[in-house]
Amino acid sequence: GNSVTQMEGPVTLSEEAFLTINCTYTATGYPSLFWYVQYPGEGLQLLLKATKADDKGSNKGFEATYRKETTSFHLEKGSVQVSDSAVYFCALSPFAGIQGAQKLVFGQGTRLTINP
Amino acid sequence: NAGVTQTPKFQVLKTGQSMTLQCAQDMNHEYMSWYRQDPGMGLRLIHYSVGAGITDQGEVPNGYNVSRSTTEDFPLRLLSAAPSQTSVYFCASSYSLGLAEETQYFGPGTRLLVL
Repeated sequence: GNSVTQMEGPVTLSEEAFLTINCTYTATGYPSLFWYVQYPGEGLQLLLKATKADDKGSNKGFEATYRKETTSFHLEKGSVQVSDSAVYFCALSPFAGIQGAQKLVFGQGTRLTINP
Repeated sequence: NAGVTQTPKFQVLKTGQSMTLQCAQDMNHEYMSWYRQDPGMGLRLIHYSVGAGITDQGEVPNGYNVSRSTTEDFPLRLLSAAPSQTSVYFCASSYSLGLAEETQYFGPGTRLLVL
């Protein structure tokens, strides 16, 4: 079946540190991959996505590359800020054809805290 | 646009009570879905809808009912609440029929406690 495994949290870093949050997946076919972010007290919002192998998604200084050979989609940022403190979710959407319905499969989430 | 709205924000129920979680979107999205979020488990799909009058089950549908009479609204009903349904519930929507690459837009969530 389809599944997503994320790096265990919580993760605590100092401001301006380099961030990596690991994400690996299991899926049949060619899924789309996503990173969603949840700020305290809010719903999830899309951070970035990639829809095919070797695509790189990027937004707000975050990047992730769709690696089919290692079934990974690791999230990276070169210099984190206090405002990046949130919970980050890796997710996949299995390919379901033109008339398919998106059934996101989420990882367990990684809580990130950035200290000034 | 208000986006995706959910009510209530927080609810306490006793075991066996029923209630409806409301979800509405003003973006004319065809696809809507409900997820529950539990500690250490990420979000899991409960039910989804690809348009008015069309619904289907997700990964964890037991104990929940849905209907979609309009494009805008997608309520989630708990017929007889159980402590295992204590969770945070998120509603989401997207533009098309939920193609794999589509971005889903999430509401702020409803926190439910069943005693």
